[in-house]
Amino acid sequence: QKEVEQDPGPLSVPEGAIVSLNCTYSNSAFQYFMWYRQYSRKGPELLMYTYSSGNKEDGRFTAQVDKSSKYISLFIRDSQPSDSATYLCAMGGDTNAGKSTFGDGTTLTVKP
Amino acid sequence: GAVVSQHPSRVICKSGTSVKIECRSLDFQATTMFWYRQFPKKSLMLMATSNEGSKATYEQGVEKDKFLINHASLTLSTLTVTSAHPEDSSFYICSAKAGGAGYSPLHFGNGTRLTVT
Repeated sequence: QKEVEQDPGPLSVPEGAIVSLNCTYSNSAFQYFMWYRQYSRKGPELLMYTYSSGNKEDGRFTAQVDKSSKYISLFIRDSQPSDSATYLCAMGGDTNAGKSTFGDGTTLTVKP
Repeated sequence: GAVVSQHPSRVICKSGTSVKIECRSLDFQATTMFWYRQFPKKSLMLMATSNEGSKATYEQGVEKDKFLINHASLTLSTLTVTSAHPEDSSFYICSAKAGGAGYSPLHFGNGTRLTVT
């Protein structure tokens, strides 16, 4: 079983929809949670970074972490065609030499 | 801030030759850099952890004599694919960790697409 599970999709939504992306994990040592956006043939770009449980909002993006359920989410409001990309969740802890563990990514298409 | 530059973005080489890929942190010092390989529509596969001034730590199954990593300064790590073969064709991405010994999120370069003919 993978440490981080992420539904690969693909996910297709109309412009303006609210998008929900999720990951589950099994390692209770994870304390840091990230979401990356990766456009085709580019490197991942850090979108959101949260520590421990709770919510964090940045513009149209909201990241939620529920450590008790080992479940994290990324919500995208008023989705735009430019949001079409692959979204990767990532997690880390203080005991793994700075390494991050990544989900397999969810491919999102926002149709105009 | 936290910009990572990777060069070249694309390279085509002949089988048997070596290719060097550079990864630079432009506006921060990176004591640790990571090298990944990514297959089409797949996630990132960690190849090795590069620490400034010391030998790289390779993940299981990654040939250290084939994928040479050098991290000679706090802003530069290089990956050399030696005696490249067509099966080495892939998308290689580096990332750099800002900050000190504690955890901090990674910042990625834009990747290098290697094609071995």
